[in-house]
Amino acid sequence: RKEVEQDPGPFNVPEGATVAFNCTYSNSASQSFFWYRQDCRKEPKLLMSVYSSGNEDGRFTAQLNRASQYISLLIRDSKLSDSATYLCVVFYNQGGKLIFGQGTELSVKP
Amino acid sequence: DTAVSQTPKYLVTQMGNDKSIKCEQNLGHDTMYWYKQDSKKFLKIMFSYNNKELIINETVPNRFSPKSPDKAHLNLHINSLELGDSAVYFCASSQPTYENTEAFFGQGTRLTVV
Repeated sequence: RKEVEQDPGPFNVPEGATVAFNCTYSNSASQSFFWYRQDCRKEPKLLMSVYSSGNEDGRFTAQLNRASQYISLLIRDSKLSDSATYLCVVFYNQGGKLIFGQGTELSVKP
Repeated sequence: DTAVSQTPKYLVTQMGNDKSIKCEQNLGHDTMYWYKQDSKKFLKIMFSYNNKELIINETVPNRFSPKSPDKAHLNLHINSLELGDSAVYFCASSQPTYENTEAFFGQGTRLTVV
C-alpha cells in the first residue's frame, strides 16, 4: 500500500464547476499535511497547508480528518487556470520525510 | 533571485556514462531532498539531508550517490546510467518547523538516457 494515495485522475470539468479531491495516508504518525500544485513540465509549488480545523483560501478549502487519515481539497468556481496536477503531501517529523501522493490531474474546459 | 537552482536543466547521455546534477539553495534551509519523477509523474523521494547529514536513503540503487559539501548544496552523482534512470529529478529544500514544512523545489533536471 502506498503511503499517500489519491483519487485517480484525470478530472475533466467545465469552468465554474466545483471539484473535490481526496487523499488518504497510511501512517498515523504523520505530522503535517499539504496540497501542492504542479503545472505541466514545472516544479511542484505549495498550494496550501491543511489544518485539523479545516482552512480556506479563496476558492480553495482543505479538510483533514486525522481519525480517518483522510485529507480533501475542494475547488469552487473552477477557472481555466486551475488546470494542473494536485499533489497531496504528508510530512513525517521522524526522519523528516516529505511524501507525495501520485497526484490528480485536473483539466478545466471552457 | 532563484531560491533553489539545479543544473543542468536538460541532460541527454548514453547508457553506461556517469553524470552529476548540482543543486543549490539560498534560503538558509537545513534540509534538502532529491526526488525522482518518472513517466507516470509519481514524485518519489530518493534522499534527504539535514545539515549535511544523510537522514533518508529510500532503497535507491547505490549507483546514485548524493553529496552535500555544505548545507546549501546537495549534488547527485549517478554512475553507470541505465535506460530506467530517465526521469525528471527535482531538488528541494525546507526548514521543517511545527508550523511550516513548505518545500521549495528547483526547476528540475530532465535526464534522458539513450
